[in-house]
Amino acid sequence: QKEVEQDPGPLSVPEGAIVSLNCTYSNSAFQYFMWYRQYSRKGPELLMYTYSSGNKEDGRFTAQVDKSSKYISLFIRDSQPSDSATYLCAMTGTAAGNKLTFGGGTRVLVKP
Amino acid sequence: KAGVTQTPRYLIKTRGQQVTLSCSPISGHRSVSWYQQTPGQGLQFLFEYFSETQRNKGNFPGRFSGRQFSNSRSEMNVSTLELGDSALYLCASSQSGISTGELFFGEGSRLTVL
Repeated sequence: QKEVEQDPGPLSVPEGAIVSLNCTYSNSAFQYFMWYRQYSRKGPELLMYTYSSGNKEDGRFTAQVDKSSKYISLFIRDSQPSDSATYLCAMTGTAAGNKLTFGGGTRVLVKP
Repeated sequence: KAGVTQTPRYLIKTRGQQVTLSCSPISGHRSVSWYQQTPGQGLQFLFEYFSETQRNKGNFPGRFSGRQFSNSRSEMNVSTLELGDSALYLCASSQSGISTGELFFGEGSRLTVL
């Protein structure tokens, strides 16, 4: 079983809908949680960065971390066709050996 | 502010050859980390260099190696190439390192091994 699990999708939604993405993990030592967006043939781009549990909002994006359930989420409000991409969760921590572990990515398609 | 630059963007090699990839980080960033991305395995961490020293290493064979220069530019080398080494190789730079996860990625070097 992988240390970080993420549904590969594809997740298809109509424009304007809320996109809901999530990852589960097994290593309780993870402290830092990130979401990256990757367009086709491009490198990943950091979207959201959260330390420990809680919520963080940035524009149309909201990241949630629930360490007790080992579960993180990303919500995209008012989705646009330009949000069509692969979304990768990632996590790391000092007690986790400072190694950055990625989920497999969820491909999202926002249809106009 | 210039981003992370990787060269070459595309390259084709044959089995048994070796390859060297280059990464220029964002100015002022001392950490450079390398990743292999494939459809089957996803994004996997190779190693991290910080101020010319290898600070972390992933679970890849010794054929994969790297180094960092005093200007923070980094190179990654893969020797005795295998078909399974075909992948997108990404580098990322960071001010403080991968332990906080705030990374800035380049566009990658796509390696095809024939």
